[in-house]
Amino acid sequence: NAGVMQNPRHLVRRRGQEARLRCSPMKGHSHVYWYRQLPEEGLKFMVYLQKENIIDESGMPKERFSAEFPKEGPSILRIQQVVRGDSAAYFCASSPGDRGREKLFFGSGTQLSVL
Amino acid sequence: AQTVTQSQPEMSVQEAETVTLSCTYDTSESDYYLFWYKQPPSRQMILVIRQEAYKQQNATENRFSVNFQKAAKSFSLKISDSQLGDAAMYFCAYRSPSGTYKYIFGTGTRLKVLA
Repeated sequence: NAGVMQNPRHLVRRRGQEARLRCSPMKGHSHVYWYRQLPEEGLKFMVYLQKENIIDESGMPKERFSAEFPKEGPSILRIQQVVRGDSAAYFCASSPGDRGREKLFFGSGTQLSVL
Repeated sequence: AQTVTQSQPEMSVQEAETVTLSCTYDTSESDYYLFWYKQPPSRQMILVIRQEAYKQQNATENRFSVNFQKAAKSFSLKISDSQLGDAAMYFCAYRSPSGTYKYIFGTGTRLKVLA
């Protein structure tokens, strides 16, 4: 059973470009969380999604950031018009349905570098 | 709002010795979950140990154990017989038992193991 898959592992963008980060949860998992880790800091919650629904986006900046988890395919975190401050590691985590949410399984993250 | 504090940015331990990493948290909830995660240079977040607040018994996983002091809101991690492979960033995390189950992470402690 493959773990949580994130791609790309490294992403380089110039200021003003768009960044798309992908996350395929573990098989059978319908809940996805996105976290951001700035250098020398812990992970900060961004958004929690279930299939086709955003459940909690309280940690996500109101502008330029969006997330989706469609019925088919991976979850996507999109950052429009990236700025240097967006440089960070972005982690995705997944969990089973409601009865298994106490356990999160993390991907290896995408390191976004904005030039 | 809940907060998690790790006051030791870096710790060192001699191979085969014991080291304790500190974590304190703040919450008004009576029931919750606490975790220690290990993040090696590969960036993968690895669950080390988990503690349910309603359990008085301290959790143990092989060489890893916790000292959970609920009244003091303290949750320290003890690593016995330290090995070179234990070198990593260690993050303490808190999770509410209700709501969206998002995790709140501390800023981490970098553990160095000296041969």
